[in-house]
Amino acid sequence: AQSVAQPEDQVNVAEGNPLTVKCTYSVSGNPYLFWYVQYPNRGLQFLLKYITGDNLVKGSYGFEAEFNKSQTSFHLKKPSALVSDSALYFCAVRVQGGKLIFGQGTELSVKP
Amino acid sequence: ETGVTQTPRHLVMGMTNKKSLKCEQHLGHNAMYWYKQSAKKPLELMFVYSLEERVENNSVPSRFSPECPNSSHLFLHLHTLQPEDSALYLCASSLLAGGTQETQYFGPGTRLLVL
Repeated sequence: AQSVAQPEDQVNVAEGNPLTVKCTYSVSGNPYLFWYVQYPNRGLQFLLKYITGDNLVKGSYGFEAEFNKSQTSFHLKKPSALVSDSALYFCAVRVQGGKLIFGQGTELSVKP
Repeated sequence: ETGVTQTPRHLVMGMTNKKSLKCEQHLGHNAMYWYKQSAKKPLELMFVYSLEERVENNSVPSRFSPECPNSSHLFLHLHTLQPEDSALYLCASSLLAGGTQETQYFGPGTRLLVL
């Protein structure tokens, strides 16, 4: 079955520290991977995607994600977290037919 | 967020009411989607429209009825809902429906409470 897993419900980070939000996937064929962020009372905002090419993808707001085929992972990273990064983060994979399968979300909390 | 708009942002309705959610996209896209977001659960895809034709219906109860009059507008008509239908309903659009490389852009959602 095709799926996306975000193993951590919540990640807590101090401001200025690096952050990682984990995502692993299980798909047949080539994976097309996405990260979205959701701020309180808002819709999902697209952050970045991996289609092909360089395994390190850079996106909005200083975020980047590393595609690792052998580990079937696509972890979201940022070198220095901001309090304003506190939000709900969703990993998703696009499968045949264009359907997006989402993970359950990880709540990131950045404390001053 | 101005690319995809949704109205109303909040809705409270009784189980016997009929209401409609509206979504409008200003991105020139040809595909539109309805998702349901419940607490602590992954987003659930409800419906997909491509060029105004429904291409996917994910076993959604008939009390939810979508309508896509043109490629810029999408509605979700609601009638005789249940309390468990309370959730955030998100609309999204993309240039094409079937492309695996397509990025979907989301609206702000409608927070629905069914009493």
